Amino acid sequence: GENVEQHPSTLSVQEGDSAVIKCTYSDSASNYFPWYKQELGKRPQLIIDIRSNVGEKKDQRIAVTLNKTAKHFSLHITETQPEDSAVYFCAASIIGNQFYFGTGTSLTVIP
Amino acid sequence: EAQVTQNPRYLITVTGKKLTVTCSQNMNHEYMSWYRQDPGLGLRQIYYSMNVEVTDKGDVPEGYKVSRKEKRNFPLILESPSPNQTSLYFCASRASPGLKGSEQYFGPGTRLTVT
Repeated sequence: GENVEQHPSTLSVQEGDSAVIKCTYSDSASNYFPWYKQELGKRPQLIIDIRSNVGEKKDQRIAVTLNKTAKHFSLHITETQPEDSAVYFCAASIIGNQFYFGTGTSLTVIP
Repeated sequence: EAQVTQNPRYLITVTGKKLTVTCSQNMNHEYMSWYRQDPGLGLRQIYYSMNVEVTDKGDVPEGYKVSRKEKRNFPLILESPSPNQTSLYFCASRASPGLKGSEQYFGPGTRLTVT
């Protein structure tokens, strides 16, 4: 089955700096790549997703890039704010099938 | 309000005592699934269901059962819980694959402790 690896496991940045989280996947058939944010004690919530027919997608301060050839995708958060502090999960899926999640990145934004 | 609900939210039980965690969604979603979340391991899929009466094993199905008799409900059953099933459990649902807006919605989580 699919194997998703996520790095780094922890990340600390100064407020206003950028944060980048990277994931790799193993199954070239995967075609849907969502990113979830999970605040302490809360449920995961989708923040952005990308399909394999697109190389990049942006939503305000958040962007995701996908390199299908290298089988990796990344989350970019610009102008970080303290409320961005959370655990972020990447996932890979073949649309219609099960989801495979990375092990998570704990992001701390230092004011 | 569109939502996924789970009950109970917290449960402490003893080894071998059968339990059921309920999950219900009001969005008419076809796809539902169960995950367990453990420190350092992320979210791992236990079972998923593409529609009523259709269920499939995820990555960690051992020790769990599910049923999908109605579209809105997808209970998780632990016939004989063991301490290694102590975890945080999430139910999730989404619309049919391929449709725009196939976002997966998660329930609030159930924290299970098996002693």
